[in-house]
Amino acid sequence: KNEVEQSPQNLTAQEGEFITINCSYSVGISALHWLQQHPGGGIVSLFMLSSGKKKHGRLIATINIQEKHSSLHITASHPRDSAVYICAVNLQGAQKLVFGQGTRLTINP
Amino acid sequence: DAGVTQSPTHLIKTRGQQVTLRCSPKSGHDTVSWYQQALGQGPQFIFQYYEEEERQRGNFPDRFSGHQFPNYSSELNVNALLLGDSALYLCASSLVLAGAMNTEAFFGQGTRLTVV
Repeated sequence: KNEVEQSPQNLTAQEGEFITINCSYSVGISALHWLQQHPGGGIVSLFMLSSGKKKHGRLIATINIQEKHSSLHITASHPRDSAVYICAVNLQGAQKLVFGQGTRLTINP
Repeated sequence: DAGVTQSPTHLIKTRGQQVTLRCSPKSGHDTVSWYQQALGQGPQFIFQYYEEEERQRGNFPDRFSGHQFPNYSSELNVNALLLGDSALYLCASSLVLAGAMNTEAFFGQGTRLTVV
């Protein structure tokens, strides 16, 4: 079983819909990251959080440390939001990032 | 302010050859991590460099080696290339703050390596 699991693996929605991507982890962490990867490969860091909730524009990320779960929400989704969204965690006592397998999001106009 | 830059962007090599990939971290960052991302998979940690030393290493063979220079830039070297080494190689930089390495990571665009 992977240390970081995301769901769903693929998600297709219509423009304007509210999107939720989930991330669960099974190990102790010091921080959790949400990343966005577009075709061609480059990764953009969206959020880094260790507790609570963060908001940036139409994106909201929450984390529940006790339940070892995080969610990424996109409000008023747009076709330009189509990308792979990746959850990654910093393990406690380790320097590396451990990645989930990613969620491929497609927003249709 | 330039972010993380990687070169080259694409590369084709033959089995058995050696390759060197380069990464310049974001200005002000001192830590560089390398990741391998196979097609359709999440990135896998190769190793991390800080203060010109390898600080942590993932589950990769010794064919994968690296270096960090005094200006914090880094190289990833892969010897005796295998077909399975074909992947996107990502570099991420971050900054050690008060001894904590868990700061936000900034990623480069990656180098897509194809081994034929």
